[in-house]
Amino acid sequence: DADVTQTPRNRITKTGKRIMLECSQTKGHDRMYWYRQDPGLGLQLIYYSFDVKDINKGEISDGYSVSRQAQAKFSLSLESAIPNQTALYFCATSDGRLTYNEQFFGPGTRLTVL
Amino acid sequence: LAKTTQPISMDSYEGQEVNITCSHNNIATNDYITWYQQFPSQGPRFIIQGYKTKVTNEVASLFIPADRKSSTLSLPRVSLSDTAVYYCLVGETGGFKTIFGAGTRLFVKA
Repeated sequence: DADVTQTPRNRITKTGKRIMLECSQTKGHDRMYWYRQDPGLGLQLIYYSFDVKDINKGEISDGYSVSRQAQAKFSLSLESAIPNQTALYFCATSDGRLTYNEQFFGPGTRLTVL
Repeated sequence: LAKTTQPISMDSYEGQEVNITCSHNNIATNDYITWYQQFPSQGPRFIIQGYKTKVTNEVASLFIPADRKSSTLSLPRVSLSDTAVYYCLVGETGGFKTIFGAGTRLFVKA
């Protein structure tokens, strides 16, 4: 079973709709991240969380919100989706106790906003 | 945050050694250098991380000169399955503010 799972894997929605992307992990990591990737480009950090009570904005947080429901769950919401939020979204985790940081990524959610 | 510069793309043939160099002139004392690999429609996968000199694992080697202003990822004897995008990241080991640039697209040909 995958250590980092994302649901849904694909989603098509319309402009103005509220969308929630979910991420769950079984790695026991304290840190979780949300990234977006546009075609042909690198990943941009949207939000990151060090633990349930610690949530921080990344490079491109406008138009997004997050919720860390438990150590293992980190959800990303688009309150009112717009077409330029069409992208591939990745969740990732890492173990903050380690000096040797490695992020583990989920399979991604492909979101299309019409 | 240290900015990184790496080639946009590289071509190679199966069986060759591939070296991808990344420049990071503004690297800070506490920064580590990390490389990730990404296949199409998949999340990035950690390859290797180092601070100075040379690091080697079962997948790759990472060479870092004394001034640490650049680093080279070396992939020995590449195969077609090594075709992917390779990202060089520089940041503190906490990693929460590391930036993924556009990466280097490696094409391995038969």
